Amino acid sequence: QKEVEQNSGPLSVPEGAIASLNCTYSDRGSQSFFWYRQYSGKSPELIMFIYSNGDKEDGRFTAQLNKASQYVSLLIRDSQPSDSATYLCAVNMFVVGNTGKLIFGQGTTLQVKP
Amino acid sequence: DGGITQSPKYLFRKEGQNVTLSCEQNLNHDAMYWYRQDPGQGLRLIYYSQIVNDFQKGDIAEGYSVSREKKESFPLTVTSAQKNPPAFYLCASSIPRYSGNTIYFGEGSWLTVV
Repeated sequence: QKEVEQNSGPLSVPEGAIASLNCTYSDRGSQSFFWYRQYSGKSPELIMFIYSNGDKEDGRFTAQLNKASQYVSLLIRDSQPSDSATYLCAVNMFVVGNTGKLIFGQGTTLQVKP
Repeated sequence: DGGITQSPKYLFRKEGQNVTLSCEQNLNHDAMYWYRQDPGQGLRLIYYSQIVNDFQKGDIAEGYSVSREKKESFPLTVTSAQKNPPAFYLCASSIPRYSGNTIYFGEGSWLTVV
């Protein structure tokens, strides 16, 4: 089992729709969770992070965390063609002796069609 | 401006040669990381360093070496590079006890081995 799993997609949604991206993780001790967006050939850029169970909203983006079920999701409202990119889920996994290391899923490719 | 600088952006080497990728940050971050991304793949951790003069192997450390003599610098050496599709190398940094260990990336370096 991979430590962080995402459906590679592509996930295709029409412009203006809600895009839902999902991620599951294996380490129950993980404390912090991140979503990054990566355009082709570019480095990842942070969208948002979440620590606590529930929802966290930032503009058109909402991150949802459920530690009991070990999943984290990202909702993108009013999707725009410029949102077309690969979305990477990352989990900070506890490592004895230090603050942990960030492990990434393989990413989900989102296509927003005009 | 504060940030993470990777150089060179594009690098070509012959199979069997060593190659060193530079990474410098002026964010005063304690931790630094190297990730590798292969075409269509997620990010895999090569090495990470929480403090100066200390570093740990990640998931794919074989064939790589690093040093952390200064807080600002974390160079990566690919020893005896193997011929593979071009790989994207990403350097990152963080303050491990801030924002759940949110990491920020440099712009990346493409390595092609011929």
